[in-house]
Amino acid sequence: GAVVSQHPSRVICKSGTSVKIECRSLDFQATTMFWYRQFPKQSLMLMATSNEGSKATYEQGVEKDKFLINHASLTLSTLTVTSAHPEDSSFYICSATTGTPGNTIYFGEGSWLTVV
Amino acid sequence: GENVEQHPSTLSVQEGDSAVIKCTYSDSASNYFPWYKQELGKGPQLIIDIRSNVGEKKDQRIAVTLNKTAKHFSLHITETQPEDSAVYFCAASIGSARQLTFGSGTQLTVLP
Repeated sequence: GAVVSQHPSRVICKSGTSVKIECRSLDFQATTMFWYRQFPKQSLMLMATSNEGSKATYEQGVEKDKFLINHASLTLSTLTVTSAHPEDSSFYICSATTGTPGNTIYFGEGSWLTVV
Repeated sequence: GENVEQHPSTLSVQEGDSAVIKCTYSDSASNYFPWYKQELGKGPQLIIDIRSNVGEKKDQRIAVTLNKTAKHFSLHITETQPEDSAVYFCAASIGSARQLTFGSGTQLTVLP
């Protein structure tokens, strides 16, 4: 079936640096990708919706200048956490869909970010 | 916006028993209701979904029911096995191409 791949699965970075997480749809064209954040033992919180070739739509309370999202192709979206701080440490998960009504949303395996 | 409530937050059952997890949603326009299983440290895995034109759907040991009038849907797992232990999330959206609103999750533990 359809597969969504995230990379890296785990990353540790120093405070103040930036880190990029990639989300790829491996066998379908994802017109829409979603980025979520999940804290331990909590649910998934939508951060932003990314449509190929256009600017991402951010949820209320999510800083667009801190969490840069790029969806330059139909198979790749990237999330860059800029000037990372320890409170940005979290599990980041992407999902992707073809955008066709009736199609399924597929999730990536997630990326653990630890800011030290 | 949409609000999805999920109960219970934790559920323990004996191996072989059934497990039921319930969710309610607020937006009557929602028409797509997937269920996800999430194991520790991994992304959510779709286990079953239902659309608003269907009242029930079954896939082997897993079934989902939807009551549009009451705006609630439930996940039923029969003949539970220890490998069913995980966190289960319900979600709702208006169309499967739109963003999902997730429930708070249920930690299911199947005791051997």
